Amino acid sequence: IAGITQAPTSQILAAGRRMTLRCTQDMRHNAMYWYRQDLGLGLRLIHYSNTAGTTGKGEVPDGYSVSRANTDDFPLTLASAVPSQTSVYFCASSEVGSVGQFFGPGTRLTVL
Amino acid sequence: QQQVKQSPQSLIVQKGGISIINCAYENTAFDYFPWYQQFPGKGPALLIAIRPDVSEKKEGRFTISFNKSAKQFSLHIMDSQPGDSATYFCAASTPRSGNTPLVFGKGTRLSVIA
Repeated sequence: IAGITQAPTSQILAAGRRMTLRCTQDMRHNAMYWYRQDLGLGLRLIHYSNTAGTTGKGEVPDGYSVSRANTDDFPLTLASAVPSQTSVYFCASSEVGSVGQFFGPGTRLTVL
Repeated sequence: QQQVKQSPQSLIVQKGGISIINCAYENTAFDYFPWYQQFPGKGPALLIAIRPDVSEKKEGRFTISFNKSAKQFSLHIMDSQPGDSATYFCAASTPRSGNTPLVFGKGTRLSVIA
């Protein structure tokens, strides 16, 4: 693994289903982030974690949850997906207090 | 309230021309201003960044101009090439305070035509 990996690459999901988007980084970065990207709205922060064991809410956290059990993994869970959660989701990582976030390749999620 | 405002939404530039994208911010605590480049189907990638203690930073054909008093910063792409066609995002954060999440502008889709 080099950098950040996300899985799945894309997913079509029925409304009401539970879904977990996976994110793994091998750079030993302290901080990790989840963004969603929607046309015309840019990238909006969902949740973040400055270190393992801690998480924080971003701009659009409703309907999403995260956990940070270790340094490398930062899964994003949609407990009960709704069509408005159709988006491209990007995971990113960085060192706390450092500059430059590294982004994963994204997960394209469609909720029908 | 949108903390980082980016313009224009889209931009068409002739090959060899100068592309200029502008951003304005609200929060005076921001102390890190990066620009990200995103190609279709890919994640954003850091292009160039500036801190508020300098007014300009240049890396190859890419230059950031920063105006602290006006709370504005801009990206200039000199000698624009078709390979520069991408979406560009400005962003801001406060890493020195330990708060690293980025606040992004809404993006500018740049098309460089031959």
